[in-house]
Amino acid sequence: ETGVTQSPTHLIKTRGQQVTLRCSSQSGHNTVSWYQQALGQGPQFIFQYYREEENGRGNFPPRFSGLQFPNYSSELNVNALELDDSALYLCASSFSASGGTDTQYFGPGTRLTVL
Amino acid sequence: GNSVTQMEGPVTLSEEAFLTINCTYTATGYPSLFWYVQYPGEGLQLLLKATKADDKGSNKGFEATYRKETTSFHLEKGSVQVSDSAVYFCALRRDSSASKIIFGSGTRLSIRP
Repeated sequence: ETGVTQSPTHLIKTRGQQVTLRCSSQSGHNTVSWYQQALGQGPQFIFQYYREEENGRGNFPPRFSGLQFPNYSSELNVNALELDDSALYLCASSFSASGGTDTQYFGPGTRLTVL
Repeated sequence: GNSVTQMEGPVTLSEEAFLTINCTYTATGYPSLFWYVQYPGEGLQLLLKATKADDKGSNKGFEATYRKETTSFHLEKGSVQVSDSAVYFCALRRDSSASKIIFGSGTRLSIRP
């Protein structure tokens, strides 16, 4: 059974650029959640995707957007990057019969640095 | 709103010492409570969970009891090992329909041989 994988591992961008991060969910899971973890802080919920639709969103601006594909993999897109977007971005997958959140399994994360 | 407060670190202990990491929460209703662990260079791993009052979650020698009367979910281990060195996060999910998990700020634990 393959766990949650994320790509790339590290990424360096400059202010104003756009970035796409990718996540492959664990086999059998249909729900993907994205979190932002700033250095020395706990993860903050960005949004969740269930059945290819957004199913809950945290306090992040619209320039943070996402997609979920029919195979349940997901992308996180961030436009107009700001210095404060520098963080570890975590993807978590889970199985849900009706939305909400079952036990979430996290990937290793993508470290984004914005210069 | 819903929130989690956990003791600030870093916490440094000697091997075989007793560990307690305090966690309290604020939430309406009956949230589920979790402890996650993040080893150096790795992602978050679920350590244990409890879904209702008085439940005790346990795993790898760690335990935590869901105390509704004190709104707490303290993490304990009787004898820590060097391999337990990591960052520990207390977290809650408001209810079964909630999409997000709310995390505390984390407690860094270092165990010296």
